[in-house]
Amino acid sequence: EVLLVESGGGLVQPGGSLRLSCAASGFSFSIYAMHWVRQAPGKGLEYVSGITKEGTTHYMDSLKGTFVISRDNPKNTLYLQMDYLRVEDMAVYYCVRGIGWPQFGDYWGQGALVTVSS
Amino acid sequence: QSALTQPRSVSGSPGQSLTISCTGASSDVGAYIYVSWFQQHPGKAPKLMLYDVTKRPSGVPDRFSGSKSGNTASLTISGLQAEDEADYYCCSYAGSVSVFGGGTKVTVL
Repeated sequence: EVLLVESGGGLVQPGGSLRLSCAASGFSFSIYAMHWVRQAPGKGLEYVSGITKEGTTHYMDSLKGTFVISRDNPKNTLYLQMDYLRVEDMAVYYCVRGIGWPQFGDYWGQGALVTVSS
Repeated sequence: QSALTQPRSVSGSPGQSLTISCTGASSDVGAYIYVSWFQQHPGKAPKLMLYDVTKRPSGVPDRFSGSKSGNTASLTISGLQAEDEADYYCCSYAGSVSVFGGGTKVTVL
């Protein structure tokens, strides 16, 4: 069974940092692209970032320089390092498996809530 | 990376068909076959309904179908059922990253 389990969410002050992790199981993690998608409370879905199986990274324009996606294939884990967090970054962050590149979405995690507030 | 445009809501009676449009630009929907649709029930993670415009993942009923013409993609639900009531989001590749539509709330009357 494919499972994606996010962790690392929580409350952080504006300007602070958080690192999300996504533990993957039930499939060969290293041969899949992976993505992060977020959803602010009561709002729609927003693409955040993706990483190919080869390690090439892609980011939404407004997040370049503040968020960093990475992967550790031996640990079957996807990461999202989030720096300089703003109130507008407050959302549920989903870890999502790719379908080749650039398609994604056949499996989603349960989401990790990031709250940015003073 | 502008959001794609979807109607905020659509409704239909059980058994009817309804179509949700998703309008983008020549740099996203119009440029690629990489258009997908997601269904989201309240409090749940999204579920992939279609990808590559028309492909259905295993387990998705064939009542769900997709098409694309120019800069506009569409999702059609035939034989509407009560469990189809949910939010639906389109998504398109835009050359480096993907972009979502604002979402459409489907109500089954």
